[in-house]
Amino acid sequence: SQQGEEDPQALSIQEGENATMNCSYKTSINNLQWYRQNSGRGLVHLILIRSNEREKHSGRLRVTLDTSKKSSSLLITASRAADTASYFCATGSPTYNQGGKLIFGQGTELSVKP
Amino acid sequence: SQTIHQWPATLVQPVGSPLSLECTVEGTSNPNLYWYRQAAGRGLQLLFYSVGIGQISSEVPQNLSASRPQDRQFILSSKKLLLSDSGFYLCAWATGELHEQYFGPGTRLTVT
Repeated sequence: SQQGEEDPQALSIQEGENATMNCSYKTSINNLQWYRQNSGRGLVHLILIRSNEREKHSGRLRVTLDTSKKSSSLLITASRAADTASYFCATGSPTYNQGGKLIFGQGTELSVKP
Repeated sequence: SQTIHQWPATLVQPVGSPLSLECTVEGTSNPNLYWYRQAAGRGLQLLFYSVGIGQISSEVPQNLSASRPQDRQFILSSKKLLLSDSGFYLCAWATGELHEQYFGPGTRLTVT
């Protein structure tokens, strides 16, 4: 079942600009995670935010979580060409978190032009 | 440090042939293990997960199966491949619930 939906599906920006990606989900969650995937590679974990947190930072990344709206956003500041990748949100929910299962969205494809 | 290996990296198999993909994790014990499939340009679909040796949970009914013969080894198998089994297969591990997952490099399977 589809849980996370990213928006936009694709985003193209210039180096130095900020990139914002959004994720919406349907059921209650206990955590939401963001991952990056370079073309043809495995996913790399970026950041995890728990349901009782509202904002988290890691380097140039800022994640917000609004459980009342069932949505999250990932902000990449001062983007670089190396940030070009697909970005996925993934949710863990008390209703299906046995074994630490996550449900992934379809991803946002980010292109940063030099 | 922990590492995760998958092999082979690429595989081309005819319809009806068997499949065996292997995933091993180093540097951790009793991890949760996961198999995902990713169709081109799309998100990940969880196929199987395991919380311990011999414990397999299936998420999607299909002609694939999984086994965990050792603590840090996870195998994805099929007796007869279908065209629809083509995709990018990813193995991942986690230390437990409410934790991030770490992914292997993936196996690209093409069924012809």
